[in-house]
Amino acid sequence: QVQLVQSGAEVKKPGASVKVSCKASEYTFTGYYIHWVRQAPGQGLEWMGWIDPNVGDTDFAQRFQGRLTMTRDTSTSTAYMELSSLRSDDTAVYFCARGHGDSGAFDIWGQGAMVTVSS
Amino acid sequence: DIVMTQSPDSLAVSLGERATINCKSSQTILYRSNNNNFLAWYQQKPRQPPKLLIHWASTREPGVPDRFSGSGSGTDFTLTISSLQAEDVAVYYCQHYYSTPYTFGQGTRLEIK
Repeated sequence: QVQLVQSGAEVKKPGASVKVSCKASEYTFTGYYIHWVRQAPGQGLEWMGWIDPNVGDTDFAQRFQGRLTMTRDTSTSTAYMELSSLRSDDTAVYFCARGHGDSGAFDIWGQGAMVTVSS
Repeated sequence: DIVMTQSPDSLAVSLGERATINCKSSQTILYRSNNNNFLAWYQQKPRQPPKLLIHWASTREPGVPDRFSGSGSGTDFTLTISSLQAEDVAVYYCQHYYSTPYTFGQGTRLEIK
């Protein structure tokens, strides 16, 4: 079935970078945006940005300016999110989600990847 | 940025009763050229990713029970569960996708009374 499968949990030290993958299956990868959303422990959802897998264009929330890189590999139908200069408040579950074909809502979600930033 | 504010923060409803969650945007998310409200509702259960319930403010996703309905326009929106079932216990989020950043409401925790 249509799904997004993410990479596993990561533990990083402050100042390091993390790269999370999101592999799409059973649909045309280049036909739908991929969004990245994070959720700190016990907190709500925060949209980070999107990538258009077809052309590689991206847009992201200003608060991640200079720290967030979103890429894709169309040969493997995989999107990547890399966050640099990690801080303790970056500890969160990071989700990828597919942009709905008809609207901008997020209709398919990955299972999430826990990123823990700790010294 | 458009701010999404949900009310209440938490809600306890008896099984079989109606649950109503409100969501207000800081500016209109109605796109007049196509008369669509760029508003979605999600359900999140513990240790799961969110699940899309409704988009375009009132269009249910396939497979979502018809006890879930969305309404509203412009800046004020409502998610209604007509007859609460035990499996509806979750946190519910509204989200706009009118313009980036696509912000979410803070969430409403729904419990059984």
